[in-house]
Amino acid sequence: ETGVTQTPRHLVMGMTNKKSLKCEQHLGHNAMYWYKQSAKKPLELMFVYNFKEQTENNSVPSRFSPECPNSSHLFLHLHTLQPEDSALYLCASSQGRLGGSVDEQYFGPGTRLTVT
Amino acid sequence: DQQVKQNSPSLSVQEGRISILNCDYTNSMFDYFLWYKKYPAEGPTFLISISSIKDKNEDGRFTVFLNKSAKHLSLHIVPSQPGDSAVYFCAASTHVSYNTDKLIFGTGTRLQVFP
Repeated sequence: ETGVTQTPRHLVMGMTNKKSLKCEQHLGHNAMYWYKQSAKKPLELMFVYNFKEQTENNSVPSRFSPECPNSSHLFLHLHTLQPEDSALYLCASSQGRLGGSVDEQYFGPGTRLTVT
Repeated sequence: DQQVKQNSPSLSVQEGRISILNCDYTNSMFDYFLWYKKYPAEGPTFLISISSIKDKNEDGRFTVFLNKSAKHLSLHIVPSQPGDSAVYFCAASTHVSYNTDKLIFGTGTRLQVFP
Protein backbone atom coordinates (compact mmCIF):
# COMPACT_ATOMS: atom_id res chain seq x y z
CA GLU A 1 0.00 0.00 0.00
CA THR A 2 1.20 3.48 -0.78
CA GLY A 3 0.07 6.95 0.15
CA VAL A 4 -2.91 7.42 2.42
CA THR A 5 -5.56 4.72 2.67
CA GLN A 6 -8.98 4.90 4.28
CA THR A 7 -11.44 2.18 5.22
CA PRO A 8 -14.24 1.65 4.73
CA ARG A 9 -14.87 3.58 1.52
CA HIS A 10 -18.61 3.63 2.10
CA LEU A 11 -20.54 3.35 5.37
CA VAL A 12 -24.24 3.45 6.15
CA MET A 13 -25.16 3.61 9.81
CA GLY A 14 -28.17 4.26 11.95
CA MET A 15 -28.29 7.04 14.51
CA THR A 16 -27.84 4.62 17.39
CA ASN A 17 -24.88 2.74 15.92
CA LYS A 18 -21.22 3.00 16.84
CA LYS A 19 -18.71 2.73 14.04
CA SER A 20 -15.11 3.72 13.34
CA LEU A 21 -13.30 5.12 10.33
CA LYS A 22 -9.70 4.13 9.82
CA CYS A 23 -6.87 5.97 8.12
CA GLU A 24 -3.34 4.77 7.50
CA GLN A 25 -0.47 6.68 5.94
CA HIS A 26 2.56 4.99 4.40
CA LEU A 27 4.54 8.18 3.78
CA GLY A 28 6.47 8.48 7.02
CA HIS A 29 4.67 11.68 7.91
CA ASN A 30 4.33 13.16 11.41
CA ALA A 31 0.98 14.90 11.19
CA MET A 32 -2.49 13.55 10.41
CA TYR A 33 -5.78 15.31 9.84
CA TRP A 34 -9.52 14.62 9.60
CA TYR A 35 -11.62 16.74 7.24
CA LYS A 36 -15.33 16.72 6.53
CA GLN A 37 -16.85 17.61 3.18
CA SER A 38 -20.61 18.12 3.11
CA ALA A 39 -22.56 18.70 -0.08
CA LYS A 40 -22.05 22.17 -1.55
CA LYS A 41 -19.64 23.12 1.28
CA PRO A 42 -15.86 23.44 1.39
CA LEU A 43 -13.68 20.88 3.12
CA GLU A 44 -13.71 21.63 6.84
CA LEU A 45 -10.85 20.71 9.12
CA MET A 46 -11.99 18.66 12.12
CA PHE A 47 -8.87 17.49 13.97
CA VAL A 48 -5.10 17.74 13.69
CA TYR A 49 -2.61 15.36 15.27
CA ASN A 50 1.11 16.08 15.36
CA PHE A 51 3.40 13.30 16.62
CA LYS A 52 0.27 11.54 18.03
CA GLU A 53 -0.78 14.62 20.02
CA GLN A 54 -3.99 16.43 19.18
CA THR A 55 -3.15 20.03 18.32
CA GLU A 56 -6.43 21.21 16.85
CA ASN A 57 -10.10 20.47 17.51
CA ASN A 58 -12.17 22.66 15.28
CA SER A 59 -15.22 22.80 17.58
CA VAL A 60 -16.27 19.31 16.58
CA PRO A 61 -19.23 17.74 18.46
CA SER A 62 -18.29 15.04 20.96
CA ARG A 63 -20.14 12.38 18.96
CA PHE A 64 -16.96 12.39 16.83
CA SER A 65 -14.03 11.01 18.78
CA PRO A 66 -10.58 10.82 17.17
CA GLU A 67 -7.78 8.49 18.16
CA CYS A 68 -4.18 8.52 17.00
CA PRO A 69 -2.26 5.55 18.43
CA ASN A 70 0.87 6.30 16.37
CA SER A 71 1.98 8.61 13.58
CA SER A 72 0.81 6.19 10.88
CA HIS A 73 -2.74 5.49 12.05
CA LEU A 74 -5.73 7.70 12.72
CA PHE A 75 -9.24 6.68 13.69
CA LEU A 76 -12.51 8.54 13.90
CA HIS A 77 -14.97 6.89 16.27
CA LEU A 78 -18.60 7.68 15.57
CA HIS A 79 -21.57 7.34 17.92
CA THR A 80 -25.14 8.64 18.00
CA LEU A 81 -24.68 10.57 14.78
CA GLN A 82 -27.33 12.70 13.15
CA PRO A 83 -28.47 12.60 9.50
CA GLU A 84 -26.76 15.97 8.94
CA ASP A 85 -23.45 14.25 9.70
CA SER A 86 -23.73 12.45 6.37
CA ALA A 87 -20.72 13.59 4.36
CA LEU A 88 -17.41 12.59 2.85
CA TYR A 89 -14.76 12.21 5.56
CA LEU A 90 -11.21 12.70 4.36
CA CYS A 91 -8.00 11.88 6.11
CA ALA A 92 -4.73 13.60 5.25
CA SER A 93 -1.12 13.48 6.39
CA SER A 94 1.86 15.78 6.09
CA GLN A 95 5.53 15.93 6.94
CA GLY A 96 5.26 19.22 8.73
CA ARG A 97 6.88 22.48 7.76
CA LEU A 98 10.52 22.05 6.90
CA GLY A 99 12.58 25.20 6.88
CA GLY A 100 9.53 27.39 6.49
CA SER A 101 8.31 25.82 3.25
CA VAL A 102 4.68 24.96 2.63
CA ASP A 103 3.36 21.88 4.42
CA GLU A 104 1.70 19.88 1.66
CA GLN A 105 -1.06 17.61 2.84
CA TYR A 106 -1.67 14.26 1.15
CA PHE A 107 -5.23 13.03 1.17
CA GLY A 108 -6.81 9.62 1.24
CA PRO A 109 -9.80 8.76 -0.99
CA GLY A 110 -12.32 9.39 1.77
CA THR A 111 -15.16 7.51 3.43
CA ARG A 112 -18.65 8.32 2.18
CA LEU A 113 -20.81 8.22 5.33
CA THR A 114 -24.59 8.08 5.28
CA VAL A 115 -26.50 8.34 8.55
CA THR A 116 -30.07 7.04 8.40
CA ASP B 1 -18.13 33.51 6.93
CA GLN B 2 -16.05 31.91 4.19
CA GLN B 3 -12.44 33.04 4.24
CA VAL B 4 -11.62 31.44 0.87
CA LYS B 5 -14.06 31.80 -1.99
CA GLN B 6 -14.24 30.28 -5.43
CA ASN B 7 -17.13 32.07 -7.05
CA SER B 8 -17.27 30.03 -10.24
CA PRO B 9 -18.67 26.55 -9.58
CA SER B 10 -17.83 25.38 -13.08
CA LEU B 11 -15.71 26.23 -16.11
CA SER B 12 -15.70 24.72 -19.59
CA VAL B 13 -12.66 25.15 -21.86
CA GLN B 14 -11.64 23.77 -25.21
CA GLU B 15 -8.58 21.54 -25.37
CA GLY B 16 -5.43 23.52 -26.10
CA ARG B 17 -6.81 26.77 -24.73
CA ILE B 18 -6.02 28.44 -21.41
CA SER B 19 -8.03 27.59 -18.29
CA ILE B 20 -8.15 30.29 -15.61
CA LEU B 21 -9.51 29.40 -12.20
CA ASN B 22 -10.00 32.17 -9.67
CA CYS B 23 -9.95 32.37 -5.89
CA ASP B 24 -10.49 35.22 -3.41
CA TYR B 25 -9.59 35.33 0.26
CA THR B 26 -10.29 37.65 3.15
CA ASN B 27 -7.53 37.02 5.71
CA SER B 28 -4.29 38.84 4.97
CA MET B 29 -2.44 36.62 7.49
CA PHE B 30 -2.48 33.54 5.25
CA ASP B 31 1.13 32.70 4.39
CA TYR B 32 0.74 30.09 1.69
CA PHE B 33 -1.87 29.35 -0.93
CA LEU B 34 -2.31 25.94 -2.52
CA TRP B 35 -4.26 24.43 -5.36
CA TYR B 36 -5.55 20.88 -5.20
CA LYS B 37 -7.15 18.79 -7.93
CA LYS B 38 -9.78 16.16 -7.24
CA TYR B 39 -11.05 13.40 -9.49
CA PRO B 40 -14.26 11.51 -8.63
CA ALA B 41 -13.82 8.80 -5.98
CA GLU B 42 -10.33 10.05 -5.13
CA GLY B 43 -8.96 12.38 -2.51
CA PRO B 44 -7.63 15.82 -3.46
CA THR B 45 -4.07 15.82 -4.79
CA PHE B 46 -1.67 18.70 -4.38
CA LEU B 47 -0.98 20.64 -7.56
CA ILE B 48 0.96 23.82 -6.90
CA SER B 49 1.48 26.39 -4.16
CA ILE B 50 2.64 29.97 -3.75
CA SER B 51 4.11 31.82 -0.82
CA SER B 52 2.45 35.07 0.19
CA ILE B 53 5.73 36.86 -0.48
CA LYS B 54 5.71 35.86 -4.15
CA ASP B 55 3.43 36.94 -6.95
CA LYS B 56 3.94 34.07 -9.37
CA ASN B 57 4.89 30.42 -9.30
CA GLU B 58 5.16 28.21 -12.35
CA ASP B 59 5.33 24.43 -12.72
CA GLY B 60 5.06 23.12 -16.24
CA ARG B 61 1.63 23.90 -17.64
CA PHE B 62 0.44 25.29 -14.31
CA THR B 63 1.04 28.85 -13.10
CA VAL B 64 -0.39 30.47 -10.01
CA PHE B 65 -0.59 34.25 -9.70
CA LEU B 66 -1.10 36.08 -6.42
CA ASN B 67 -2.38 39.65 -6.12
CA LYS B 68 -2.09 40.48 -2.42
CA SER B 69 -3.59 43.94 -2.67
CA ALA B 70 -6.72 42.45 -4.22
CA LYS B 71 -6.58 39.30 -2.04
CA HIS B 72 -6.95 37.29 -5.21
CA LEU B 73 -5.16 34.36 -6.77
CA SER B 74 -5.62 32.51 -9.99
CA LEU B 75 -4.48 29.23 -11.50
CA HIS B 76 -3.63 29.19 -15.20
CA ILE B 77 -3.43 25.92 -17.11
CA VAL B 78 -1.86 26.20 -20.56
CA PRO B 79 -2.51 24.30 -22.74
CA SER B 80 -5.56 22.64 -21.23
CA GLN B 81 -5.90 18.89 -21.76
CA PRO B 82 -8.90 16.57 -21.35
CA GLY B 83 -7.12 14.88 -18.43
CA ASP B 84 -7.25 18.20 -16.57
CA SER B 85 -11.02 17.78 -16.20
CA ALA B 86 -11.54 17.65 -12.42
CA VAL B 87 -12.61 19.77 -9.47
CA TYR B 88 -9.99 22.32 -8.44
CA PHE B 89 -9.81 23.55 -4.85
CA CYS B 90 -8.06 26.67 -3.70
CA ALA B 91 -6.73 26.52 -0.12
CA ALA B 92 -5.06 28.99 2.21
CA SER B 93 -2.66 27.98 4.93
CA THR B 94 -2.06 29.10 8.51
CA HIS B 95 -0.08 27.51 11.34
CA VAL B 96 -1.89 25.48 13.99
CA SER B 97 1.22 24.28 15.81
CA TYR B 98 4.95 24.75 15.45
CA ASN B 99 5.13 22.64 12.31
CA THR B 100 1.61 21.85 11.11
CA ASP B 101 -0.72 23.92 9.00
CA LYS B 102 -4.45 24.42 8.86
CA LEU B 103 -5.82 24.51 5.33
CA ILE B 104 -8.95 26.51 4.66
CA PHE B 105 -10.56 25.46 1.42
CA GLY B 106 -12.81 27.06 -1.13
CA THR B 107 -15.85 25.22 -2.46
CA GLY B 108 -14.11 24.20 -5.67
CA THR B 109 -14.47 24.83 -9.40
CA ARG B 110 -15.35 21.97 -11.73
CA LEU B 111 -13.22 22.26 -14.87
CA GLN B 112 -14.27 20.46 -18.01
CA VAL B 113 -11.88 20.39 -20.96
CA PHE B 114 -13.58 19.32 -24.17
CA PRO B 115 -11.93 18.28 -27.47
